[in-house]
Amino acid sequence: SQTIHQWPATLVQPVGSPLSLECTVEGTSNPNLYWYRQAAGRGLQLLFYSVGIGQISSEVPQNLSASRPQDRQFILSSKKLLLSDSGFYLCAWSRGTGGKETQYFGPGTRLLVL
Amino acid sequence: AQTVTQSQPEMSVQEAETVTLSCTYDTSESNYYLFWYKQPPSRQMILVIRQEAYKQQNATENRFSVNFQKAAKSFSLKISDSQLGDTAMYFCAFMIRGNTPLVFGKGTRLSVIA
Repeated sequence: SQTIHQWPATLVQPVGSPLSLECTVEGTSNPNLYWYRQAAGRGLQLLFYSVGIGQISSEVPQNLSASRPQDRQFILSSKKLLLSDSGFYLCAWSRGTGGKETQYFGPGTRLLVL
Repeated sequence: AQTVTQSQPEMSVQEAETVTLSCTYDTSESNYYLFWYKQPPSRQMILVIRQEAYKQQNATENRFSVNFQKAAKSFSLKISDSQLGDTAMYFCAFMIRGNTPLVFGKGTRLSVIA
């Protein structure tokens, strides 16, 4: 079966510091991978998605970036965090064809920027 | 662009009763999927049920069922025999066929009362 991991689970960082959040998927190959952000009490906003190694589509560039160095690894980064980057970050994966497409989510990372 | 609307920010239901959560969407696509996700206090996003737009039969998963009205672009979730563990945020989501990113509604906070 497939599992998706995210770490760290919780992170408190000062404004202006760098960020690296990691997401890995096990039990599948060539998944589509997604980063979403959820601000407190709000819905989910798509940040980035990837259909393959080195292929990244950006929805909200700002000061965040994403990379996919391996097939089942997706990294969210920032060189300098802003207060507005606080939120809950969810990684998701999807695969399947012929009517089987579904997205599954990791446990998430809580980021607080002070 | 696709949009998803959940018009009920909060709802409550007595334990063992039935509750229906509403969702409408807008799209010009003909091949797509609809989902309901549950987000308990842990904030893990859990897939509750999915519906393929080309299937007329409404999806069911144990106590959860949907009323999919394609012409009206409506996709409501019915929870029967509500349990305390059903207390959570519920998100309606839309995905164009082909493993594309999800578009989410803003969510409905459901409280099950003993």
